[in-house]
Amino acid sequence: EAQVTQNPRYLITVTGKKLTVTCSQNMNHEYMSWYRQDPGLGLRQIYYSMNVEVTDKGDVPEGYKVSRKEKRNFPLILESPSPNQTSLYFCASSLRPRADTQYFGPGTRLTVL
Amino acid sequence: AQKITQTQPGMFVQEKEAVTLDCTYDTSDPSYGLFWYKQPSSGEMIFLIYQGSYDQQNATEGRYSLNFQKARKSANLVISASQLGDSAMYFCAMRGIYRGSTLGRLYFGRGTQLTVWP
Repeated sequence: EAQVTQNPRYLITVTGKKLTVTCSQNMNHEYMSWYRQDPGLGLRQIYYSMNVEVTDKGDVPEGYKVSRKEKRNFPLILESPSPNQTSLYFCASSLRPRADTQYFGPGTRLTVL
Repeated sequence: AQKITQTQPGMFVQEKEAVTLDCTYDTSDPSYGLFWYKQPSSGEMIFLIYQGSYDQQNATEGRYSLNFQKARKSANLVISASQLGDSAMYFCAMRGIYRGSTLGRLYFGRGTQLTVWP
């Protein structure tokens, strides 16, 4: 089944404790991206990747890191999480940057205390 | 800068009636794609419909249609024959498909919460 998976789905952590949210797709997609969703703000792009080893900042990259060492995986790293990073996070992928379909993962609900 | 505006924070519609959710956008790119997504209370993002700026005809997918008016920069979603299961948050989004820094990026509006009542 074609899908984007994220882990963990729910996470409660404390300020400053490094964490990684994994994202994996099984569709050989070139383009992958991370979004955060906050009430009243819609979804905002954190980072995106056009292909392996090609990543760039989105609209809200502060406090986050990413890497794209393999085509299927695009982990989101929070080196020192803070309470303002409490949010719902989505990973998404598409075959190409111009594709008319983007597949979303199920979301990761992160709470930073 | 790319911008998506959804001016209706909440909408209410009776079951079996049609409803229009508004979306306007702003871009200087000559070509772009427009999406609508549904997010039920369970949280997942469900793709509904896509319209390319170059498409001559308005997109339709079952009960969903996209009323695309390029000159007015609007891309309203029309849901016909509303069902109780349509109650959800709806997001309009625009994707850069031209070259440059917006290529591939998806820009979202703030969403409209639709409630369908019996």
